[in-house]
Amino acid sequence: GNSVTQMEGPVTLSEEAFLTINCTYTATGYPSLFWYVQYPGEGLQLLLKATKADDKGSNKGFEATYRKETTSFHLEKGSVQVSDSAVYFCAFNTNAGKSTFGDGTTLTVKP
Amino acid sequence: DAGVIQSPRHEVTEMGQEVTLRCKPISGHNSLFWYRQTMMRGLELLIYFNNNVPIDDSGMPEDRFSAKMPNASFSTLKIQPSEPRDSAVYFCASSLGWEFSPEAFFGQGTRLTVV
Repeated sequence: GNSVTQMEGPVTLSEEAFLTINCTYTATGYPSLFWYVQYPGEGLQLLLKATKADDKGSNKGFEATYRKETTSFHLEKGSVQVSDSAVYFCAFNTNAGKSTFGDGTTLTVKP
Repeated sequence: DAGVIQSPRHEVTEMGQEVTLRCKPISGHNSLFWYRQTMMRGLELLIYFNNNVPIDDSGMPEDRFSAKMPNASFSTLKIQPSEPRDSAVYFCASSLGWEFSPEAFFGQGTRLTVV
């Protein structure tokens, strides 16, 4: 069945460190891929997305590339800030309309 | 647009009481989703609607849970009777057009505590 596997947390980094959060998916059809971010006490909000193979989504210094051959969509940022501390969710949906989310990865960035 | 609006933001109720959570989706969005988030189970899809019609309610945990969408601008999730294990954050989300795999826009959630 459909599923998303993302790197287990928590992840703790120092400010300006490089971030990678791995995400792989299992889906029927040709999904669109998303990264959402959830700050404390808030709902999820879209961080970036990619809708076809080799597309790169980017926003706020974060990037992820749709790799169809490895069914992956790893999130990266070259230099994290304290304000990036949040929970990050990898997700996909197909034209059935329903999103499938990973379990979330908690990132803490220390000054 | 103000985004997806949920009410109340916090709800504390006693076991056995009825609880109703409310959601106003973004105007023009035709898909609406109810999610539940807990530490143990993460983010779970409870039910989703397309054009006000329930499409998939397989995530609704049991008959105590029910959801309605009487029109395009309003939805409710009701728990009757409530139990302590229903304590969670409940999110409503909406999206534009399910045929094109769009992103979902989430509300700020309702934190429910059943004592």
